[in-house]
Amino acid sequence: EVQLVESGGHLVQPGGSLRLSCAASGFTFSRFSMNWVRQAPGKGLEWVSYISRSSSIIYYADSVKGRFTISRDNAKNSLYLQMNSLRAEDTAMYYCSVGSESPSPIDYWGQGTLVTVSS
Amino acid sequence: EIVMTQSPATLSVSPGERATLSCRASQSVSSNLAWYQQKPGQAPMLLIYGASARATGLPARFSGSGSGTEFTLTISSLQSEDFAIYYCQQYNSWPRFTFGPGTKVDIK
Repeated sequence: EVQLVESGGHLVQPGGSLRLSCAASGFTFSRFSMNWVRQAPGKGLEWVSYISRSSSIIYYADSVKGRFTISRDNAKNSLYLQMNSLRAEDTAMYYCSVGSESPSPIDYWGQGTLVTVSS
Repeated sequence: EIVMTQSPATLSVSPGERATLSCRASQSVSSNLAWYQQKPGQAPMLLIYGASARATGLPARFSGSGSGTEFTLTISSLQSEDFAIYYCQQYNSWPRFTFGPGTKVDIK
């Protein structure tokens, strides 16, 4: 069974930093690209970032480019999101999800970790 | 960026009735369109992909149609567990997905 468990979300002040983690199990992590998707409270879904299997291809949404960094450790079956210069509008539930190497929807999602940016 | 819109924002339906949800893309996404269901406190769940293919185990009362820029999700006879928010997503510009704002299906 595919399991994705996010962690690291909590309350942080504007301008602060946070590192999210996603522990993957139940599948061969190194064979799949991964995504982060977020959802502000009471709002819709926003794709944040993508990383390929070998980390050779990385994409970011314009809203986070230059502030967020996605990475992965295939030996540890883990995905990360380093978030710097956080803003109030970054407040959201952050979901990690399994990606693909070609146009495909998202089959598997974690349960999310909540990031709150507030003073 | 491909912008997705959904209508209506809220749909009030009685159990057993039919629900029809619409999704429109700002440019053609071919059939690279998915529908997700999200219940409070839960992650989204994939229902439909390729505009009309049902995800594994999805009841037949759910059906998707459309291509290009206009798509529809139909729930033929609403059950109590179907009251939720439904999002469409285009993955034609993969991996830069975009989602619609959602349609909330609630009890009439």
